[in-house]
Formats: sequence, C-alpha cells, structure tokens
Amino acid sequence: NAGVTQTPKFQVLKTGQSMTLQCAQDMNHNSMYWYRQDPGMGLRLIYYSASEGTTDKGEVPNGYNVSRLNKREFSLRLESAAPSQTSVYFCAFGQGFDQPQHFGDGTRLSIL
Amino acid sequence: SQELEQSPQSLIVQEGKNLTINCTSSKTLYGLYWYKQKYGEGLIFLMMLQKGGEEKSHEKITAKLDEKKQQSSLHITASQPSHAGIYLCGALRGGGYQKVTFGTGTKLQVIP
Repeated sequence: NAGVTQTPKFQVLKTGQSMTLQCAQDMNHNSMYWYRQDPGMGLRLIYYSASEGTTDKGEVPNGYNVSRLNKREFSLRLESAAPSQTSVYFCAFGQGFDQPQHFGDGTRLSIL
Repeated sequence: SQELEQSPQSLIVQEGKNLTINCTSSKTLYGLYWYKQKYGEGLIFLMMLQKGGEEKSHEKITAKLDEKKQQSSLHITASQPSHAGIYLCGALRGGGYQKVTFGTGTKLQVIP
C-alpha cells in the first residue's frame, strides 16, 4: 500500500510478552509515523520520526518504544504487552509538512 | 478526536443516491485531508484542501473547505458499491512536524 510494508499483519500475544512491529518504506522520505486505531477513538499518534536518527513522542506513547534504524525502517516495540494495547497499528510516511501521509495496511494485534 | 468531529458516524444509502459527510474542527486548520479506508486495509489518500473556500473533485467525489477553514464536506454523487468504506478526515495542525489529528470516521454502506 503506497510503498509502506508492515509486518506482521496479525499477531496474538499474552499479557507481559514483548514484540516488535516492523515498518519499511521504499519511497526515501524523511518522516515516518506510528498510529493506533481503536473503535470510536480514531487514529492516534504514538511516535514519529522526522528524520533518520530522531524520534519523538506523539499523543499516546506510554508502553511503547521506537527505533529509526535507517531512513527506510521504523519499528515499534511493546516491551510488556497489556490488553489495553489491543488495537490496529498503522505505520505511515510523510512527504513534507503540507503533503499527505501514506499508510501501510496495518498490523492487527490482540493481547489476551 | 474531540478536536475534529465527523458526521454522521454511519450512513446507509441506496446506489445512485448522493451523500455528504461533514468534518468540523474546533480550531483553524492549516490543511485538511480526506482518506478512505476499507475493512482490513490501510488508509487511501483522496484529497487535500489548504485554502479557505477551496474545492477539489476526483471522479464522483468533491471535497470543500469553508472560508474560515474550520469545516469541510465530502460529497459523493451517484454513489456506487465501490464507494463503501470508512471515510476519515485529518486536520493538519501547526507545529514543528506534520501533526495530523484524525476524526473518528464515517462508515458508508451503499446498497445495490
């Protein structure tokens, strides 16, 4: 979807387990984002990276960490998963301040 | 997001009918994005509006931004089953990065 690859597409975890969601873009853009989508809440920004080597907190960063490994890859890590983190996670890249963001197909994560 | 309200939350229309989805912001917008999402997929960018009074069209979909840049509408003419999905508006806010606040979405069903 628009040059963004997210893996895995589905995952079920037990409370307390850890995992990393992977995202890679093939468009060579600086900005990358991680969102979560929950019913009735819309999309909420977890973390973003304005450029390689930089990361910043978004609206709901608690319980997550991120790594901007290189310009292409931006990963999201759950160190100790909680049921409240059950959600659909989307990665996106941005072309510039006033340009649209382009999204991956999402990772559906369930935490039991 | 409470900063961005979409209405209606859901809509069922018969094929061939026109419909309108609204997006209202409590703050002035730098820009407004419209996206479409199908179940199990990511967000597909439709249009972006930046200037007060601006109107854009793509195929049978027209989006407008009011003069005060606080309200946008998405109008679909002669709806088709392919228009079904969730429509989300995203507000581009000011700040040091491309901060986008999303509405909670409007679910559209088109009955053949």
